[in-house]
Amino acid sequence: DADVTQTPRNRITKTGKRIMLECSQTKGHDRMYWYRQDPGLGLQLIYYSFDVKDINKGEISDGYSVSRQAQAKFSLSLESAIPNQTALYFCATSDHTGTGDEQFFGPGTRLTVL
Amino acid sequence: GEDVEQSLFLSVREGDSSVINCTYTDSSSTYLYWYKQEPGAGLQLLTYIFSNMDMKQDQRLTVLLNKKDKHLSLRIADTQTGDSAIYFCAERLAGRRALTFGSGTRLQVQP
Repeated sequence: DADVTQTPRNRITKTGKRIMLECSQTKGHDRMYWYRQDPGLGLQLIYYSFDVKDINKGEISDGYSVSRQAQAKFSLSLESAIPNQTALYFCATSDHTGTGDEQFFGPGTRLTVL
Repeated sequence: GEDVEQSLFLSVREGDSSVINCTYTDSSSTYLYWYKQEPGAGLQLLTYIFSNMDMKQDQRLTVLLNKKDKHLSLRIADTQTGDSAIYFCAERLAGRRALTFGSGTRLQVQP
């Protein structure tokens, strides 16, 4: 769904490098999320933000940081990447006025840390 | 604590019904969801059910919720090859601000 875009779509990097993954949305939603997906483990929540001034840790925030630069932008940073951060990363958005809090996902960023 | 579990794999023949199951441990769930992930794509919401409902039907999809057993199922009638994907159940707990996802069930539809 082009309403939620992620850049880059694929990235290969080396251990110790700083990496930023970006997410933008045109849906006008106030809530944004970062998840990682590992085979057989489903999605794990890294960080989430319910508005520009609200940042919350998820289940697995260690080694990650985020920035909510504007309502439409939510970036995820790995300050010093390590191999076990190799995963598929998804950004998602939702609207607090929506019934059932449906989350809309971006296409994902595949990150490989060598 | 919360835990959402699913079987990893299900294989069915085209035209048959598929039933994907999910169990959860926390009885304070408010909404339960089914998401579909096609290869190379993000997750897409298929349907959701409020915790005070037992059943919800939407075209070929039927969701059944058994709160006593903490069991959620998704039935896909007349399964097609285009239904091949990974299906995730997820729950939203009262007082929690984000969803908890299961590990996903890969549905393979054989022609």
